[in-house]
Amino acid sequence: GENVEQHPSTLSVQEGDSAVIKCTYSDSASNYFPWYKQELGKRPQLIIDIRSNVGEKKDQRIAVTLNKTAKHFSLHITETQPEDSAVYFCAARFTGGGNKLTFGTGTQLKVEL
Amino acid sequence: DGGITQSPKYLFRKEGQNVTLSCEQNLNHDAMYWYRQDPGQGLRLIYYSQIVNDFQKGDIAEGYSVSREKKESFPLTVTSAQKNPTAFYLCASSISRAGGHQPQHFGDGTRLSIL
Repeated sequence: GENVEQHPSTLSVQEGDSAVIKCTYSDSASNYFPWYKQELGKRPQLIIDIRSNVGEKKDQRIAVTLNKTAKHFSLHITETQPEDSAVYFCAARFTGGGNKLTFGTGTQLKVEL
Repeated sequence: DGGITQSPKYLFRKEGQNVTLSCEQNLNHDAMYWYRQDPGQGLRLIYYSQIVNDFQKGDIAEGYSVSREKKESFPLTVTSAQKNPTAFYLCASSISRAGGHQPQHFGDGTRLSIL
């Protein structure tokens, strides 16, 4: 079935450094890839998304890149700040399931002072 | 996303009891979803509905049931057949259009525990 793998499961960086989280997906026809940020005990919030016809998308300190050939996409956070500490989830929309998403298992990002 | 309301925030279930989690949205979204979140396992899809009076099983539907009688509401019942119901349950909604490039917006969740 559809599968999304996410790495690493935990990531610790120093404030001001960059953080990169990677995901791979199984269905080559997948066409939509959102990223969510979830703070402890709160709802996941969409932070950025990308469609399959685009290779890269940026929004201030956050960027997502997509490599359709290799079936992987990555989240890049630059100039990290303590408020970036949270769990980040990638997801992919697989064909044939409406707007159904399959999520990765999450990355716990800790930004240390 | 203030447009999606889940209640209650905390819920306790006794052995052999069915409990129902409420999800209401005022975003005029056609599609609604229920996810279960366990530590280290991400979000797993229980049921989803793309239109009123229609719903489909997700990846872990056993022990759960849903209804979609109104566009705004998608309640989830955790039945006694679900032997390990302790988890954080998240409801989401989205616009439902061809192409599927629509983000899902989440409620604040319900934390269910066994007494």
